[in-house]
Amino acid sequence: GEDVEQSLFLSVREGDSSVINCTYTDSSSTYLYWYKQEPGAGLQLLTYIFSNMDMKQDQRLTVLLNKKDKHLSLRIADTQTGDSAIYFCAERDGAGSYQLTFGKGTKLSVIP
Amino acid sequence: EAGVAQSPRYKIIEKRQSVAFWCNPISGHATLYWYQQILGQGPKLLIQFQNNGVVDDSQLPKDRFSAERLKGVDSTLKIQPAKLEDSAVYLCASSRPSGSMEQYFGPGTRLTVT
Repeated sequence: GEDVEQSLFLSVREGDSSVINCTYTDSSSTYLYWYKQEPGAGLQLLTYIFSNMDMKQDQRLTVLLNKKDKHLSLRIADTQTGDSAIYFCAERDGAGSYQLTFGKGTKLSVIP
Repeated sequence: EAGVAQSPRYKIIEKRQSVAFWCNPISGHATLYWYQQILGQGPKLLIQFQNNGVVDDSQLPKDRFSAERLKGVDSTLKIQPAKLEDSAVYLCASSRPSGSMEQYFGPGTRLTVT
């Protein structure tokens, strides 16, 4: 079955760039997503990338996709304390229910 | 545009009791999802509705979990009887058609089974 792996923790200093990495196994994934979850809250969609793209930029966020290696990354430029949260990578099934399979999440801690 | 609404936000029950969660999706969203998020894990899909029909319930433990979306708008997820391992956050999400790229999540219901 599909599997999505992420490192569990990342700590960066305020103002630095953060890079959160993710690997997935389903080669038929059509879309890959990044969600943000703050304590006690639901998931907030940050950005997504279509599988035939290799990069997408949206303000401070840059997503890089290496489809050959099934590797996805999220770069946050000029990281702020408000970026402290858990970041989930997810892949979307290519057919059928289009369900999302999530990783376990990376907890980003921003040090002032 | 109002977001996905869920209630209650928190629930504590004893094992073998029953519990129900309610979700109201974003207006006009035909597809509704229920996810289970165990502490330290990513969300796992339990069931997906398209209007009032079930698209995928392959990961729903049907011996104790049930869900309905009778009028194709709001939905109820029920657990009967609850087990300790059902302690989790239950997230509801919605999207336009099932092929839509964007799922929008509610705040979740945190269930504790003692």
